[in-house]
Amino acid sequence: ELQLVQSGGGLIQPGGSLRLSCAASGFTVNNNYMTWVRQAPGKGLEWVSFVDTGGNTYYAESVKDRFTISRDNSNNTLYLQLSGLRAEDTAVYYCARPSQDLGGGFDIWGHGTMVTVSS
Amino acid sequence: SYELTQTPSVSVSPGQTARITCSGDALPRQYAYWYRQKAGQAPVLVIYKDNERPSGIPERFSGSSSGTTVTLTISGVQAEDEADYYCQSSDRTNTYWVFGGGTRLTVL
Repeated sequence: ELQLVQSGGGLIQPGGSLRLSCAASGFTVNNNYMTWVRQAPGKGLEWVSFVDTGGNTYYAESVKDRFTISRDNSNNTLYLQLSGLRAEDTAVYYCARPSQDLGGGFDIWGHGTMVTVSS
Repeated sequence: SYELTQTPSVSVSPGQTARITCSGDALPRQYAYWYRQKAGQAPVLVIYKDNERPSGIPERFSGSSSGTTVTLTISGVQAEDEADYYCQSSDRTNTYWVFGGGTRLTVL
């Protein structure tokens, strides 16, 4: 079964750091584009970052220079390192796979993990 | 930064046709995708590459494109279609991805 299982998240103080994990099964993270999307409480979806098959990384302006996307081939896991956290980073964070077969549509999503930035 | 614009809400009665639009300058050159999100759940892809339907998505869901606007059409709307719908695409360089603000579909 193709799936993404997320972990990490929680309550963190402003300025703090956190790492989110997204373990894939049924496919290889390294052979796919992978992306992170977030959703603040009561708000819409916001694209955060993606990594392409060549390892190139791209970020939304709102998180650039604070968040880092990476992947570990040995455990088939995608990561998002969050640093310099702000209250406005409070959101549910989803990982997803842009499918090569579906022209880049995000066909597999993690269940989401909540990050709350508050003192 | 690049933006996609959606109407915030659409309301239809069961059996009617719902049309949800999304506008963006790069849409003539970049594909659009549509996602359905029900409360408390992760989004689900319902249309890819402007007008293709993934397996498992009912035929009443269709997509179209005209200039800088893409449209998601749901024919014969059912109560279970009540959800938030988001369009998604990229800027001209395909290095900046973006979602529309979302449209809440209410089935009366």
